[in-house]
Amino acid sequence: QSALTQPASVSGSPGQSITISCTATSSGVGDYNYVSWYQQHPGKAPKLMIYEVSNRPSGVPDRFSGSRSGNTASLTISGLQAEDEADYYCNSYTISSTLVFGGGTKLTVL
Amino acid sequence: QVQLVESGGGLVKPAGSLRLSCAASGFTFSDYYMSWIRQAPGKGLEWVSYISGNGRIIYYADSVEGRFTISRDNAKNSLYLQMNSLRAEDTAVYYCARLKDTYDILNGYQPDWAFDIWGQGTMVTVSS
Repeated sequence: QSALTQPASVSGSPGQSITISCTATSSGVGDYNYVSWYQQHPGKAPKLMIYEVSNRPSGVPDRFSGSRSGNTASLTISGLQAEDEADYYCNSYTISSTLVFGGGTKLTVL
Repeated sequence: QVQLVESGGGLVKPAGSLRLSCAASGFTFSDYYMSWIRQAPGKGLEWVSYISGNGRIIYYADSVEGRFTISRDNAKNSLYLQMNSLRAEDTAVYYCARLKDTYDILNGYQPDWAFDIWGQGTMVTVSS
């Protein structure tokens, strides 16, 4: 059982905003600001979208934003586009110096 | 350009061994922590292991501790994963990934704990 819990699926219409949550369910997970988010299209390698909770790598559209409140990190996608349809995973560094992924969220653009 | 290319995957019997390789190019390999991440068919991502740039710091997921060994050869710009005592549940696509880092004048290169470059993956199937 993952120490980071994500909703299995979310959906939204083009132009809308959606938020995917990532909740740390174990102590020692999510205590740091080392939360990252990845986008994965079918059959492709994951792509880094957000690092250190809210930082965007160059080339990632500013429609993607990250935040954190307590033990829950969130990825928000505004102005939803068809190409945003993908699986999204959160990841966190842990107090044990290991890394852990959330279970993943399937985003459907209606 | 910055690139990671995995190789070495294939079909192996339970209890068997396999060694994966990851060839890096386009960046100073020794400056970066590197990691292996796997994804079972139809399942989510699972972090497996990481190794520091100089090879002195190594961590494993509980699921592979004692069976898998991560290593690197900075002279060859290569990362490895030796997998022993393989089980059916090790069946997955194995990705090599670079850990993004930031240079600090006091501590040198330190990881930001985010995977910024990924390979295309190599499939490992454990089955009799």
